[in-house]
Amino acid sequence: EVQLVESGGGLVQPGESLRLSCAASGFSFSNYAMHWVRQAPGKGLEYLSAISTNGGRTFYTDSVKGRFTISRDNSQNTLYLQMGSLRPDDMAIYYCARAIKGFGGTYLADFWGQGTLVTVSS
Amino acid sequence: EIVMTQSPATLSVSPGERATLSCRASQSVSSNLAWYQQKPGQAPRLLISDVSTRATGIPARFSGSGSETEFTLTISSLQSEDFAVYYCQQYNNWPFTFGPGTKVDIK
Repeated sequence: EVQLVESGGGLVQPGESLRLSCAASGFSFSNYAMHWVRQAPGKGLEYLSAISTNGGRTFYTDSVKGRFTISRDNSQNTLYLQMGSLRPDDMAIYYCARAIKGFGGTYLADFWGQGTLVTVSS
Repeated sequence: EIVMTQSPATLSVSPGERATLSCRASQSVSSNLAWYQQKPGQAPRLLISDVSTRATGIPARFSGSGSETEFTLTISSLQSEDFAVYYCQQYNNWPFTFGPGTKVDIK
């Protein structure tokens, strides 16, 4: 059974840092690109970051570029999101997702974890 | 950034009826278009990829169509478990972007 379990969320103050983890099981983690997506309370979905199978290629949306870093440890089947300089508008549920290649050669998320809540407040 | 729009924002449908959801992209996304379903308190679930390919385990009552900038998700006969929010998403250009969602609720 495919499982993605996020952890590391919590309450932080503006300007602080937090590292999220996503533990994968039930599939060959090293063979899949991975994504991070977030959802502010009661709002829609926002893509944040993506990473290739070996971690050699990473992508960020402008709102987190320079503040967040995606990485992975294939020996531990774990995806990470290091978040810095957190702001109140970063408050959201953060989802990790496994990515598969579509017919056009780009990647989409086919399986999502249940998410971890990050709250940024003083 | 490609902007995705969805209509209507809310669709009220009776069980057994057909639901048609629309999605538009601000520029061509080719066939790199997916649909997700999200129920309250749950993560999104992939329904459709590449415009019209149903994901594993998705019932045949869900179908997708369209190309370039105009796309449609059709639920042929709504079941009670289908009442949810539906998002379209393009994965043609980074950053990948979602539409704002269509909430399908019970009429």
